[in-house]
Amino acid sequence: QSALTQPASVSGSPGQSISISCTGTSSDVGNYNLVSWYQQHPGKAPKLMIYEGSKRPSGVSTRFSGSKSGNTASLTISGLQGEDEAVYYCCSYAGSTTWVFGGGTKLTVL
Amino acid sequence: QVQLVESGGGVVQPGRSLRLSCAASGFTFSSYVMHWVRQAPGKGLEWVAVISYDETSRHYADSVKGRFTISRDTSKNTLYLQMNSLRPEDTAVYYCAREVRGTYYFDNWGQGTLVTVSS
Repeated sequence: QSALTQPASVSGSPGQSISISCTGTSSDVGNYNLVSWYQQHPGKAPKLMIYEGSKRPSGVSTRFSGSKSGNTASLTISGLQGEDEAVYYCCSYAGSTTWVFGGGTKLTVL
Repeated sequence: QVQLVESGGGVVQPGRSLRLSCAASGFTFSSYVMHWVRQAPGKGLEWVAVISYDETSRHYADSVKGRFTISRDTSKNTLYLQMNSLRPEDTAVYYCAREVRGTYYFDNWGQGTLVTVSS
């Protein structure tokens, strides 16, 4: 159960777009279309932003989108806003009723 | 609205035990799969354990297997995590999280409870 690989940090200016990658293996990300993404502000609980790779829950801004290619999933945030500054985690189902998270990516809005 | 409220955290010595609770409200608790996820101070999220809606299936991360037990009491709408043989590396905020059956993601989270394992 090795953690998925995410960049430690990304940054962007308001209005710009950024992408966060999440690399796993053929046993998790590559084997299932079951990647989810979570946003976590300091001292707060994680919040679901994307599920099944590219679907948005009700209430999540359309500025958030997800995709997957092979063993790598990606979260894209367009039209960056100050409130998007947070840590983002990917998570994948890893088979045998287990889940694995990425190490988290701190997004800084410049 | 959906509410998940964890409790039971605190400071405990290595080797001792602790039981966490997660009180659920605002939804039909017995219909949902429930998880525990933890976060060590300043670190990322780590999935810990899952229990099926009907308690027939339980699974654990390798890091806690044999030491932690997940359970639920539908009559009390409460999820539990019994933690035995605690180690300093178990120090973390423990979150309970809800999964709609068969969806494999966590759609609602509690606010977390801090467990500190230290002598």
